[in-house]
Amino acid sequence: EAQVTQNPRYLITVTGKKLTVTCSQNMNHEYMSWYRQDPGLGLRQIYYSMNVEATDKGDVPEGYKVSRKEKRNFPLILESPSPNQTSLYFCASSLMGLTGTGELFFGEGSRLTVL
Amino acid sequence: AQKVTQAQTEISVVEKEDVTLDCVYETRDTTYYLFWYKQPPSGELVFLIRRNSFDEQNEISGRYSWNFQKSTSSFNFTITASQVVDSAVYFCALKESGGSYIPTFGRGTSLIVHP
Repeated sequence: EAQVTQNPRYLITVTGKKLTVTCSQNMNHEYMSWYRQDPGLGLRQIYYSMNVEATDKGDVPEGYKVSRKEKRNFPLILESPSPNQTSLYFCASSLMGLTGTGELFFGEGSRLTVL
Repeated sequence: AQKVTQAQTEISVVEKEDVTLDCVYETRDTTYYLFWYKQPPSGELVFLIRRNSFDEQNEISGRYSWNFQKSTSSFNFTITASQVVDSAVYFCALKESGGSYIPTFGRGTSLIVHP
């Protein structure tokens, strides 16, 4: 089954304790990205990757890191989480094609609470 | 710069009513792509439709229809004879063909369908 898998789905942590949210897709998609969803603000892109070893900042990258060492995986790293990073996080992937018009396939979301 | 506006924050209807969700976009590109996604209460994000800027044909899929009008920069979504299962947050998104691959999402419209 084609899917994007995120883990953990739910996490409560404390300020400053490093954490990683994993994301894996089995569709051989070149493009992967991370979004955060907050009430009233919709979906905002954190980082994206056009292919292996190619990552770039989205609209709200501060406080986050990513890596793309393999095509299927795109982990989101919070080196020193703070309460303002409490949010619902989505990983997404897409087939780029010639024009990069592919729709996004989303993971189920990871709800993170930073105390 | 690309921008998507979903002016309706929340819409409440009674089952079997027709409802239209508005989406207005801004872009300087002549080639671009528009999307609608659905986020039901369970939280996942599901792709509904993609439309490119050269195809102004309206589309119908069962009770769902989409009206794309370049003259007014709108890509509205209509649900005919709404059902409780249509209750969700709906996001409109825009991706320009040039530049970095960062689709822009509207802030979403929450649709509540009452039995």
